[in-house]
Amino acid sequence: SYELTQPSSVSVSPGQTARITCSGDLVAKKYARWFQQRPGQAPVLILYKDTERPSGIPERFSGSNSGTTVTLTISGAQVDDEADYYCYSAADNMGVFGGGTKLTVL
Amino acid sequence: EVQLVQSGAEVKKPGESLKISCEGSGYNFTNYWIAWVRQMPGKGLEWMGIIYPGDSDTRYSPSFQGQVTISADKSTNTAYLQWSSLRASDTAVYFCARPALPTMTSPDYWGQGTLVTVSS
Repeated sequence: SYELTQPSSVSVSPGQTARITCSGDLVAKKYARWFQQRPGQAPVLILYKDTERPSGIPERFSGSNSGTTVTLTISGAQVDDEADYYCYSAADNMGVFGGGTKLTVL
Repeated sequence: EVQLVQSGAEVKKPGESLKISCEGSGYNFTNYWIAWVRQMPGKGLEWMGIIYPGDSDTRYSPSFQGQVTISADKSTNTAYLQWSSLRASDTAVYFCARPALPTMTSPDYWGQGTLVTVSS
């Protein structure tokens, strides 16, 4: 079965750029999605097809893919961006989430 | 507006059975896969399995195969997740989710989650 590996935590100061990686063989073959989850809330889709933003997601959220690693970049991170972030991909109708990254902005 | 509304929180004892629900509205329920996702206390998201309500085609993660049953009722636009014998380790929030497009299986739109607490 596939695995997606994320750093457990990332910390930046407000206004800095935060980068969260997601690594695994699966993302070299299939598109990745990124979800933001705030405490006590359901996850929200913020990127799909590695780099595409759903409507309503701020432009400061962007994505990239370099083979077996996809990266979520938050440019000019805000305090409001403090949350858990999960990558996701799927193969053969089986989904896989990364372990999640806690982003701290302070 | 697409909505997935889940049933309320449950408190159960080990060994009891349970069935939680996820009602879809605002779209053709039959044509979209529904996924179930577990989140144990303080932990990450785990993909459990999916069902296509149109023909009840169901896929399970190997980690959850045989541990839970996923089903759907087209007549009530409702998907279900059930346990025959709960364990304390089943304590978690369970989310249902559906994709943005019928041809996909990704969890793009989410229900609000159902907290299941299993304790003696």
